[in-house]
Amino acid sequence: DIQMTQSPSSLSASVGDRVTITCRASQSISSYLNWYQQKPGKAPKVLIYAASSLQSGVPSRFSGSGSGTDFTLTINSLQPEDFATYYCQQSYSVPWTFGQGTKAEIK
Amino acid sequence: EVQLVESGGGLVQPGRSLRLSCAASGFTFDDHAMHWVRQVPGKGLEWVSGISWNSVTIAYADSVRGRFTISRDNAKNSLSLQMNSLRVEDTALYYCVKDERTTVVKGMKLDYWGQGSLVTVSS
Repeated sequence: DIQMTQSPSSLSASVGDRVTITCRASQSISSYLNWYQQKPGKAPKVLIYAASSLQSGVPSRFSGSGSGTDFTLTINSLQPEDFATYYCQQSYSVPWTFGQGTKAEIK
Repeated sequence: EVQLVESGGGLVQPGRSLRLSCAASGFTFDDHAMHWVRQVPGKGLEWVSGISWNSVTIAYADSVRGRFTISRDNAKNSLSLQMNSLRVEDTALYYCVKDERTTVVKGMKLDYWGQGSLVTVSS
C-alpha cells in the first residue's frame, strides 16, 4: 500500500497568512494526488485534484503543486472559513490512501 | 443538486452484522463509481471499498476484505455495504461517496460525500 505522510500535523496561522501543507508519498504517484478540506461536523470536500487542478467552485487562493512523491497545498491569504483539517489522498493505486490530516487553527 | 443519504448505522455487538445503505439523487447514478469511506470520530479518513458503475470492478481495503461486501442497484439509485463479523475497530462514521469516474481506476476523485452513518461496535 502507498503511505501518505502530511506535515505539519497541525498549524496555527492568522487571517491573511500564506499557509503551506506538505504531503509525501511512499513511492512515486506521478500527479495522482487529491486534496480535501473537512470542517468540524461536516463531510470532506475536494479542493484540488491531479495535484494542481482546482475543483470547480473552490476559491483561487487554494493551489496545489508537485509530482512524484512530494506535493504541497498552498492557501494564499488565509480566510476565517479556511480553518479546517486538510487531507491529501493518492489516486494512483488501490487501496486509495489518505494522509493523516493537517489541522489549521486560528492563531 | 447531488444528494447522498446514508442509513442503517447503529450500535451492534462484535461478531454481528449490519447493512448500510445510501440513496443517491441529483446525478446519473449509473455513470459513476461509488465508494465507502470511514472515519473514526476525531481521527483521519480511511477508504473502505469501491464499485464501478456496472459492478464489474470492486475493490476493498485489506482491513475489511472477506467481511464486507459492497453492492449497488442502479435501478434504485442505491449503494449498499454489508458488514459481517464486525469488530470494535470498525466503529466509525461511514460516508457514501461519489466518484467522478465511471470505474475504480487511477485518477479517481471523490467529488460528493454524504453526511455519514455512524456504526458503533461494542458489547
